Amino acid sequence: KNEVEQSPQNLTAQEGEFITINCSYSVGISALHWLQQHPGGGIVSLFMLSSGKKKHGRLIATINIQEKHSSLHITASHPRDSAVYICAVRLYGGATNKLIFGTGTLLAVQP
Amino acid sequence: GAGVSQSPSNKVTEKGKDVELRCDPISGHTALYWYRQSLGQGLEFLIYFQGNSAPDKSGLPSDRFSAERTGGSVSTLTIQRTQQEDSAVYLCASSRGQFNEQFFGPGTRLTVL
Repeated sequence: KNEVEQSPQNLTAQEGEFITINCSYSVGISALHWLQQHPGGGIVSLFMLSSGKKKHGRLIATINIQEKHSSLHITASHPRDSAVYICAVRLYGGATNKLIFGTGTLLAVQP
Repeated sequence: GAGVSQSPSNKVTEKGKDVELRCDPISGHTALYWYRQSLGQGLEFLIYFQGNSAPDKSGLPSDRFSAERTGGSVSTLTIQRTQQEDSAVYLCASSRGQFNEQFFGPGTRLTVL
């Protein structure tokens, strides 16, 4: 079983819909990242959070440390949001800052 | 400002040859990471450099893989005697400090024939 699980693996939505992508993890963490990767493109960091909620434009990320769960929400989705969204966690303790990644959620937003 | 840059963007090599992949982090970033993204698999950690500390090499898949970071800036990932299973996109990232947000480079796509 992967230490970081994402759901769904694939998601198709119509433009304007509210989208939720979920991430569950089984290890103690000090931070969780949400990353975006467009087809053929590089990786962009969307959020890094260790508690509560963060908002940037139409994107909202929440985390529940007790339940070991995070969600990424996209409001008023647009075709340009089509990408792979990746959840990654930084393990708690130790001196390393390496990330453990989920397998990603492929989002397609249709016009 | 300039982001993380990597070179080459694409590399095709024959099985058994050695390859070197280069990463130029964002100026002033003390932490540098190498990751690998294989087809059909997720991202995996390879190695992490932080300042003058000993690197965390726990993600390197075999002793054919090594990395250096000279002068606390540029890093080179070397793969010796490449195998077909080494084919992947190799990504570099850097961050201002040990626990700050990571910024990713565009990656080097390695194909081993």
